[in-house]
Amino acid sequence: DTGVSQDPRHKITKRGQNVTFRCDPISEHNRLYWYRQTLGQGPEFLTYFQNEAQLEKSRLLSDRFSAERPKGSFSTLEIQRTEQGDSAMYLCASSFQTDTQYFGPGTRLTVL
Amino acid sequence: GEDVEQSLFLSVREGDSSVINCTYTDSSSTYLYWYKQEPGAGLQLLTYIFSNMDMKQDQRLTVLLNKKDKHLSLRIADTQTGDSAIYFCAESDGSGGYQKVTFGIGTKLQVIP
Repeated sequence: DTGVSQDPRHKITKRGQNVTFRCDPISEHNRLYWYRQTLGQGPEFLTYFQNEAQLEKSRLLSDRFSAERPKGSFSTLEIQRTEQGDSAMYLCASSFQTDTQYFGPGTRLTVL
Repeated sequence: GEDVEQSLFLSVREGDSSVINCTYTDSSSTYLYWYKQEPGAGLQLLTYIFSNMDMKQDQRLTVLLNKKDKHLSLRIADTQTGDSAIYFCAESDGSGGYQKVTFGIGTKLQVIP
């Protein structure tokens, strides 16, 4: 399977805990994007990387959120001190340059 | 800012054609997309169209773009129960140096056997 993969697929955590998600993009894609999707809504852009550089961050990305792509391949998204409002599906997508973005299956986060 | 609007729900009978409509506001859109999302899954790219095209056909899917009215539609011929899903219209604008994709709220397609 050469598509975008995400791990874990589901995460249940208690409020105040830290969580980390991983995304592995399509291997030849140099751009990687994170989106958040809440119930009944379309995905909303959070941030994107070109290779290892984080070039754009949405205002939705509060100080509790941090994303990395240390070697320009996989990426991690960490949420510190989770809140119930962080419950959502976190989607990763990748593309080659400005070409079409291909999405992974998502990580569903539930904060109790 | 950019905005993409879609109707929330569409119900069709199996074998009929489905038409899902979308309007957008960003006149500098370069690509327009249709994605499909099944319950609990990520988004699957169905098709896309460049902003300088009027129509694109791909098997059972036909995309029509009216750039003047900023209206995009997706027609699914011979709709099957497996087509039941949420369909997202999206537009992207590369003017900021990357393809910022803005999604609509999604249209839930229900196919009645």
